[in-house]
Amino acid sequence: DTGVSQNPRHKITKRGQNVTFRCDPISEHNRLYWYRQTLGQGPEFLTYFQNEAQLEKSRLLSDRFSAERPKGSFSTLEIQRTEQGDSAMYLCASSQDGGSTQYFGPGTRLLVL
Amino acid sequence: AQSVTQPDIHITVSEGASLELRCNYSYGATPYLFWYVQSPGQGLQLLLKYFSGDTLVQGIKGFEAEFKRSQSSFNLRKPSVHWSDAAEYFCAVGAVSQAGTALIFGKGTTLSVSS
Repeated sequence: DTGVSQNPRHKITKRGQNVTFRCDPISEHNRLYWYRQTLGQGPEFLTYFQNEAQLEKSRLLSDRFSAERPKGSFSTLEIQRTEQGDSAMYLCASSQDGGSTQYFGPGTRLLVL
Repeated sequence: AQSVTQPDIHITVSEGASLELRCNYSYGATPYLFWYVQSPGQGLQLLLKYFSGDTLVQGIKGFEAEFKRSQSSFNLRKPSVHWSDAAEYFCAVGAVSQAGTALIFGKGTTLSVSS
């Protein structure tokens, strides 16, 4: 069990560029979650997958954001036309089917200049 | 609407002293409750959780928390703080939907430990 991993750990981009983050969950976990954490705040829920199906999306997830989990394993979160307000830590978590304990990865810190 | 309140933004405790971090929640049904800890630049590590049963739950690193339904609270305690406990602590409630469990977090409490 290697835990939840996320790549890259840090990303600096210019406003207007597209970025993509990857999350690899714990291997036997079929639920995967994305959260966003801004400075001085707790994490805020963005979206959730069960296997490859995206089952819930927060209103925080604007049209510029898209998430996929094509084979029910790793997931990607893409932000198109980044804005300075997108600067945040993006956290991924996973849990077992039927369990409610979420285990978090180290996060990807995004800075939009 | 579900919410979590952590009234203390920042707490400083002397090493060896006891610690209590407060958490109040608003939720329409029996909640799932969690405490996570986050070191600078890192992800969140689960300290402990409450789903049902005994209202006093034990976690890792010597932490415990008590669920008090009448006060809508889930305060975190440790009898003797170590310098390595300095970090940010988040209380969270599980909002059970049909599809899964999206956690709602408080804004966190930053713990500093003085020598």
